[in-house]
Amino acid sequence: DGGITQSPKYLFRKEGQNVTLSCEQNLNHDAMYWYRQDPGQGLRLIYYSQIVNDFQKGDIAEGYSVSREKKESFPLTVTSAQKNPTAFYLCASRPTSGKTPNTGELFFGEGSRLTVL
Amino acid sequence: SQKIEQNSEALNIQEGKTATLTCNYTNYSPAYLQWYRQDPGRGPVFLLLIRENEKEKRKERLKVTFDTTLKQSLFHITASQPADSATYLCALGHGSSNTGKLIFGQGTTLQVKP
Repeated sequence: DGGITQSPKYLFRKEGQNVTLSCEQNLNHDAMYWYRQDPGQGLRLIYYSQIVNDFQKGDIAEGYSVSREKKESFPLTVTSAQKNPTAFYLCASRPTSGKTPNTGELFFGEGSRLTVL
Repeated sequence: SQKIEQNSEALNIQEGKTATLTCNYTNYSPAYLQWYRQDPGRGPVFLLLIRENEKEKRKERLKVTFDTTLKQSLFHITASQPADSATYLCALGHGSSNTGKLIFGQGTTLQVKP
């Protein structure tokens, strides 16, 4: 079945460590996104990529890094520079061709919950 | 700054009744609005899209309205069922940008009691 796979589902990190969250999709979507979700807040955009080898900062990119070497993969690294990394991280993808490429729905993964010890 | 407000308090209703959720926004002129459902510990799932030139959209028991004058969208679930219990997110998008970037509200939790 087509979809987005995030791993790991749960991750614990010590302060000062970098961690990488995996996001893989087999939907053949060009655009991919990383969001962060905190209790009582809307999803906030960290980074997004509309095409391989290109990505843009979102609203809260500080302390995070990404790469987009393959169409299927968009890993997110939470660096030690991120001051408050404990959160639920969501990866999403979207088709950029078709009838309504600019209003297309986002397809989300199941999320990765990161806890800093 | 752009702001989206959804009812922060949970909405509790009886099975069979109509649930109405509200999404208000300020300092923004969205070209379209989307609604998602999110279950605890899981990713959101797309439900409906409505464009700025559309007043109403329906899908099975779901209905969405979009009033650009009031800067408000209403999301209705008719004949609600306990299985409809979840958090519902609204998200606004700007049509002039082809990035697909969305601004999300914080979500409203719906609890349907049998």
